[in-house]
Amino acid sequence: DTGVSQNPRHKITKRGQNVTFRCDPISEHNRLYWYRQTLGQGPEFLTYFQNEAQLEKSRLLSDRFSAERPKGSFSTLEIQRTEQGDSAMYLCASSLAGAGETQYFGPGTRLLVL
Amino acid sequence: DQQVKQNSPSLSVQEGRISILNCDYTNSMFDYFLWYKKYPAEGPTFLISISSIKDKNEDGRFTVFLNKSAKHLSLHIVPSQPGDSAVYFCAASDFNDMRFGAGTRLTVKP
Repeated sequence: DTGVSQNPRHKITKRGQNVTFRCDPISEHNRLYWYRQTLGQGPEFLTYFQNEAQLEKSRLLSDRFSAERPKGSFSTLEIQRTEQGDSAMYLCASSLAGAGETQYFGPGTRLLVL
Repeated sequence: DQQVKQNSPSLSVQEGRISILNCDYTNSMFDYFLWYKKYPAEGPTFLISISSIKDKNEDGRFTVFLNKSAKHLSLHIVPSQPGDSAVYFCAASDFNDMRFGAGTRLTVKP
C-alpha cells in the first residue's frame, strides 16, 4: 500500500499525558499537512511542511503542540499535557506542491483524552 | 472564519436518482476546488477536483460545477448508489491554504 499511513489509529490517554502521532506520506510527495477534525466539522488546518521545513502553523496550534519532519519524509505530531479538548481525529495528508495540488489523506489517529 | 460553507448537513436521495451537494466559498483567491468523501473511521478520500479556469469537470458518475461569480460549487452524482452514502466535504485552496466545509452526509436509499 503506497498511500498515506498514520500510527497509531487510536489513542486513549489521561489528561496531562503527552502523546505522539506519526504520519508516513506518499513517498514522492514533498508537502505534508496535519489537520484536526471534530464531530460535525470539516478538517481544520494545523500545520504543513514542504520537505523538512515547517512553513505555516495555524493559531489553533497552541504551544503544547509541536510537529517535526526531520528528514523530509515521515512527520510526528506531539501534544504535551493533553487536555480533554484535544480529543479529536488527527489527519495527515500529503501532496506534490504546485498548481492544482491535491492532498491525499491518511486514515487518521483518533485521540480520546480522559 | 468559515471561508467554505456547506449549508446542508444532510441529504437523502433514492437510489438511481441524482444527488446534488452544494458548497459556497467567500475567498476569491481560491483557485482550486476539491470534493472528498469520508466513511466513518477513515480519512477523507479524494473524489474529484476543478480548477478555477473551468466551470465543469466530469468523472464517471461524478460532475463538479463551478460558478465563480456566485462563489458556488456543486457536486452531482448520477445515478446515486447506496455505496455513495458517506459524508462529503468540499475544499477550496489557493497555493498555500486549503479550507474545508463542515460536510454533508449523503444517504442513498435502496
